[in-house]
Amino acid sequence: DADVTQTPRNRITKTGKRIMLECSQTKGHDRMYWYRQDPGLGLRLIYYSFDVKDINKGEISDGYSVSRQAQAKFSLSLESAIPNQTALYFCATQGQDYGYTFGSGTRLTVV
Amino acid sequence: GQNIDQPTEMTATEGAIVQINCTYQTSGFNGLFWYQQHAGEAPTFLSYNVLDGLEEKGRFSSFLSRSKGYSYLLLKELQMKDSASYLCAVRALLGAGSYQLTFGKGTKLSVIP
Repeated sequence: DADVTQTPRNRITKTGKRIMLECSQTKGHDRMYWYRQDPGLGLRLIYYSFDVKDINKGEISDGYSVSRQAQAKFSLSLESAIPNQTALYFCATQGQDYGYTFGSGTRLTVV
Repeated sequence: GQNIDQPTEMTATEGAIVQINCTYQTSGFNGLFWYQQHAGEAPTFLSYNVLDGLEEKGRFSSFLSRSKGYSYLLLKELQMKDSASYLCAVRALLGAGSYQLTFGKGTKLSVIP
């Protein structure tokens, strides 16, 4: 099993719909992150959480919300999806060592 | 805030050496990372520098100069499978022992025969 699992892998949704992207990890890390990636813009931070009771906005949090249900689970919600939220979304965890471990990504298309 | 610059695209020949540069401006610098990302896939960790100098790991090496706000990733003996985007990322201390990673936009490397 992957250390960081994202579901779904691909999703097409309509404008105005609510959608949740889920992330779970088996690494036992406290720190979790949600990024979106767009061509030419790189990875941009949406929200991050340093433990279950800690939620912080990132660079581009408008239109998104998150829930840290447990140490292992960090969900990203789009309350009312819009086309410019079409992107590749990555969840990542960070341990006490150096870098981040990324999930495989969720490709979201809003039509 | 942080500002990270790296070239958008590079092309190199199989078997050759390529250097991908990254310059940054940040407060609370706490390390620089390089990630490799194949199209449509997750970024994977390549290297980490926190002190000045060169870190070598097989065909890949990474260099850091903190005074110049500069790093490079050196790829030797290029292979076709090295065609990917290479992301420079800077870790900055936010305070109270917490830190955050900010990514550059990535350099798309194409390796040609």
